[in-house]
Amino acid sequence: DQQVKQNSPSLSVQEGRISILNCDYTNSMFDYFLWYKKYPAEGPTFLISISSIKDKNEDGRFTVFLNKSAKHLSLHIVPSQPGDSAVYFCAASAMGRRALTFGSGTRLQVQP
Amino acid sequence: KAGVTQTPRYLIKTRGQQVTLSCSPISGHRSVSWYQQTPGQGLQFLFEYFSETQRNKGNFPGRFSGRQFSNSRSEMNVSTLELGDSALYLCASTPGQGTGELFFGEGSRLTVL
Repeated sequence: DQQVKQNSPSLSVQEGRISILNCDYTNSMFDYFLWYKKYPAEGPTFLISISSIKDKNEDGRFTVFLNKSAKHLSLHIVPSQPGDSAVYFCAASAMGRRALTFGSGTRLQVQP
Repeated sequence: KAGVTQTPRYLIKTRGQQVTLSCSPISGHRSVSWYQQTPGQGLQFLFEYFSETQRNKGNFPGRFSGRQFSNSRSEMNVSTLELGDSALYLCASTPGQGTGELFFGEGSRLTVL
């Protein structure tokens, strides 16, 4: 049972445009959500997070939106840059536990 | 500040053998977690240690075990290796208790033949 789902395995966008990566979850106990970026042969790198008490969090070019009623979150990257090309993982945790449940990832390719 | 260091980076074992992987967290970080990444299952949580105590455990068989030392360094062990244990094993550290981002190492890639 996949509790965190990233239904789009891949996404291709043009440089300068917006990239929108989506994530759905099923576990109502999740109250903290994170996005990680992963390059080949490297460990995941933390991007941005959001607590369930918020519906938006912004950090530079990256914004995460949380819709609790729909159990959906999204990561917006504006403007997209070729260096953003990587696999993006959505992750969630519950009640302060440091055990993250990850989605299967979305491979983003930003075309120059 | 040095990042999370994992050793070895690559290793090859045969079925039935056992393996020990090591992780040195970022200085000052007291929580260490382990994850398994495979193409089919994605990133899955193995276990988490804080102050030498296992605090959380994922849904893996007892062949997978770990420990944490007083200097926060951690090891994980897999006994009686199976072909399906071939994976990238990632260690992550975080400063302390409570929710927060994990800082990952580059991983140890295990191949079981």
